[in-house]
Amino acid sequence: NAGVTQTPKFRILKIGQSMTLQCAQDMNHNYMYWYRQDPGMGLKLIYYSVGAGITDKGEVPNGYNVSRSTTEDFPLRLELAAPSQTSVYFCASSRQGGPYEQYFGPGTRLTVT
Amino acid sequence: QQQVKQSPQSLIVQKGGISIINCAYENTAFDYFPWYQQFPGKGPALLIAIRPDVSEKKEGRFTISFNKSAKQFSLHIMDSQPGDSATYFCAASNDNQGGKLIFGQGTELSVKP
Repeated sequence: NAGVTQTPKFRILKIGQSMTLQCAQDMNHNYMYWYRQDPGMGLKLIYYSVGAGITDKGEVPNGYNVSRSTTEDFPLRLELAAPSQTSVYFCASSRQGGPYEQYFGPGTRLTVT
Repeated sequence: QQQVKQSPQSLIVQKGGISIINCAYENTAFDYFPWYQQFPGKGPALLIAIRPDVSEKKEGRFTISFNKSAKQFSLHIMDSQPGDSATYFCAASNDNQGGKLIFGQGTELSVKP
């Protein structure tokens, strides 16, 4: 049982490039989330999904896109990378929303220069 | 009104001392208040959580105190140990709004031996 896995661990992008951050979970969780973590700012929700085929925006969705074609996978797409997207990105999953534990992946550290 | 404000931003405590981290919220509809612990280079992990129908919850050396009228809650770490050195995040959610977690800004705790 690997839990929540994320790839890559680190990435450096040039301004204007695009990339996809991968996230997978093997706990058969319905809910999945993408957060970004910036120093002193806590975790901000980018997008979330309550099941395959269903996604919705969080607090900071601009510049990102997601898809959820399977229960296991929830990739995050960055189009036209900007320096403001330099951050640590965490994927998480939970059985349901609300008072259910969210299980976090190890994170992807992204630098846009 | 969706904010959760956390203080202090950083905290240094001697081994054996009590660490106290505070959070305040505005949205009275929040009905679930977890604390997450994050070690360097890792994703956050659930530490302890409380519902507003109780004023205190204790798990080992960790206690949440909850003051519904003041819209505040706090984490107390008794007999703090160097292994407790981590970043702590409070959070809140509301089942009627999809249960999405709103995180505080985080507190970096350092326990000196």
